[in-house]
Amino acid sequence: NAGVTQTPKFQVLKTGQSMTLQCAQDMNHNSMYWYRQDPGMGLRLIYYSASEGTTDKGEVPNGYNVSRLNKREFSLRLESAAPSQTSVYFCASNKNYGYTFGSGTRLTVV
Amino acid sequence: DQQVKQNSPSLSVQEGRISILNCDYTNSMFDYFLWYKKYPAEGPTFLISISSIKDKNEDGRFTVFLNKSAKHLSLHIVPSQPGDSAVYFCAAAKETSGSRLTFGEGTQLTVNP
Repeated sequence: NAGVTQTPKFQVLKTGQSMTLQCAQDMNHNSMYWYRQDPGMGLRLIYYSASEGTTDKGEVPNGYNVSRLNKREFSLRLESAAPSQTSVYFCASNKNYGYTFGSGTRLTVV
Repeated sequence: DQQVKQNSPSLSVQEGRISILNCDYTNSMFDYFLWYKKYPAEGPTFLISISSIKDKNEDGRFTVFLNKSAKHLSLHIVPSQPGDSAVYFCAAAKETSGSRLTFGEGTQLTVNP
């Protein structure tokens, strides 16, 4: 089925470790997004990519980097994980305002 | 600065009754508003939206009302069903920022049988 696929679904990291969260969409959308969800804070935008080859910072970009590898894929990298990055991460793509979200990556940094 | 606020973290209603979820925003530049629904261990899914040129939009059991002067919108679910139990996020966008959405904190709706 068409949609947004995120991997991995779960991850535990030690402080200082690095990892990349992968995201791919097969709906031919131009725009893709990375959000984090924390209790009581809703969904906050980390980075977004309005089109292939472009990326921009969102509301909470510190500690993260992104790569828009091609139109389908948008990855999020944590270079040196911190406990404050413990969260659920969602990737999304959209055409106009109708976002399609992936099922999320639950990341714990210990 | 929380530009979109959902002041009720939770709401509990009886099956068959009306559920009313509220959302306030501070940025008068927002011109498009949406509601998303989220079940545990899943990503949010789009529910209903409204443009700032309207004050009401209806889709089956779901109706969104927009009061621009009060910078307030609400989602009405009638009748509520147990399957509606989920977290509901309000979101807003402004045309000048493309289609980036600003989300509220979410409201956990529980519909009791």
